[in-house]
Amino acid sequence: SYVLTQPPSVSVAPGQTARIPCGGNNIGSKNVHWYQLRPGQAPVLVVYDDSDRPSGIPERFSGSNSGSTATLIISRVEDGDEADYFCQVWDSLDDHYVFGPGTKVTVL
Amino acid sequence: QVQLVQSGAEVKKPGSSVRVSCKVSGGTFSNFGISWARQAPGQGLEWMGGIIPVFGSPNFAQKFQGRVTITTDESTSTVYMELSSLRSEDTAVYFCAREGPDWYFDLWGRGTLVTVSS
Repeated sequence: SYVLTQPPSVSVAPGQTARIPCGGNNIGSKNVHWYQLRPGQAPVLVVYDDSDRPSGIPERFSGSNSGSTATLIISRVEDGDEADYFCQVWDSLDDHYVFGPGTKVTVL
Repeated sequence: QVQLVQSGAEVKKPGSSVRVSCKVSGGTFSNFGISWARQAPGQGLEWMGGIIPVFGSPNFAQKFQGRVTITTDESTSTVYMELSSLRSEDTAVYFCAREGPDWYFDLWGRGTLVTVSS
């Protein structure tokens, strides 16, 4: 089955840029989607299809995907961006959704 | 505005079953898939399975095959997830989510805490 990897944590100062990697075998050939999860709240889709943003998501959220790594990029980080972020792909071989283990973003 | 409204928290004994509901309000029920995922304490999101109501045939993660059932009630626009033979490791927040057009989840319920404890 397809496996995604993410670092457990990323720390960033307010106003700086956070980059959250998501690794997978030839992940550049897949569409990668990203979710924000705050404690006690519903997950929120922040980036889909590698780099597209749903309506209502700030332009500060963007993404890239190439080779073996996809990246969620949060520009001009704010205190409210502190949350867990999960990447996700569709595994067409097993007909399954796959989530990464998640990265906790801490705003210093 | 479509919302996914989940049932309330549950406390269950090991070996028992739990059924969690997810009511689709404000939209057409059968036109999109609904999946279930969970997050155990300190763990990541884990996809369990999903169903497209108009087709009716669910798809499950191998880990949960034989232990999870997903059904729909079109009359109430509700999707149900039942997990049997509960063990302590099943303690988690269970989410339902709407499947978007390109294999992502564009709308989520707020989650249902299921606690398995003797």
